[in-house]
Amino acid sequence: NAGVTQTPKFQVLKTGQSMTLQCAQDMNHNSMYWYRQDPGMGLRLIYYSASEGTTDKGEVPNGYNVSRLNKREFSLRLESAAPSQTSVYFCASMIDRGTGELFFGEGSRLTVL
Amino acid sequence: GIQVEQSPPDLILQEGANSTLRCNFSDSVNNLQWFHQNPWGQLINLFYIPSGTKQNGRLSATTVATERYSLLYISSSQTTDSGVYFCAVVRGSGGSNYKLTFGKGTLLTVNP
Repeated sequence: NAGVTQTPKFQVLKTGQSMTLQCAQDMNHNSMYWYRQDPGMGLRLIYYSASEGTTDKGEVPNGYNVSRLNKREFSLRLESAAPSQTSVYFCASMIDRGTGELFFGEGSRLTVL
Repeated sequence: GIQVEQSPPDLILQEGANSTLRCNFSDSVNNLQWFHQNPWGQLINLFYIPSGTKQNGRLSATTVATERYSLLYISSSQTTDSGVYFCAVVRGSGGSNYKLTFGKGTLLTVNP
């Protein structure tokens, strides 16, 4: 059972480059989330999708876009990467917002030079 | 919004010792989870425990929802228990009102 799968696991970008982080879950969950984790800052919510077809901003959405491609997949795009976006990114999913366990992917470490 | 406070912020143990980690929350919650972030950065689900007590091997957790706290017990600690332990709560009344809030974590170091 794969759970939540994120790709890529590591990426180095130059300032101004774009990239997309992919996330897929095989648990038939409705809600999906993108977090970033920085030293001393804990986990901060970037965007979430409560259900297929909906997306909403979290605490730190600036500089990011998301797409809920279907029920399984939720991607995070950096259109013009900045050094401040150097972080570890986690995708997570839950059966429904407010219900059940939250499951995380293994994380994607992004460095922007 | 709801406040989630974890204590202690840091804890150093010798292998074999027992420990108790605490999570206090400022309002009623719909559910509560404990996670372990290992030194490689993976976030691992430990317990989904909105109320009551659960045990899994050397780990157990108790949530007293009416008193707004949860405890994570680690017995006979091992070096592989090292990492950060997070408590996360969900509060809301439905639809878009649900909010998931994490505590800042307890950094546990178990020395051999």
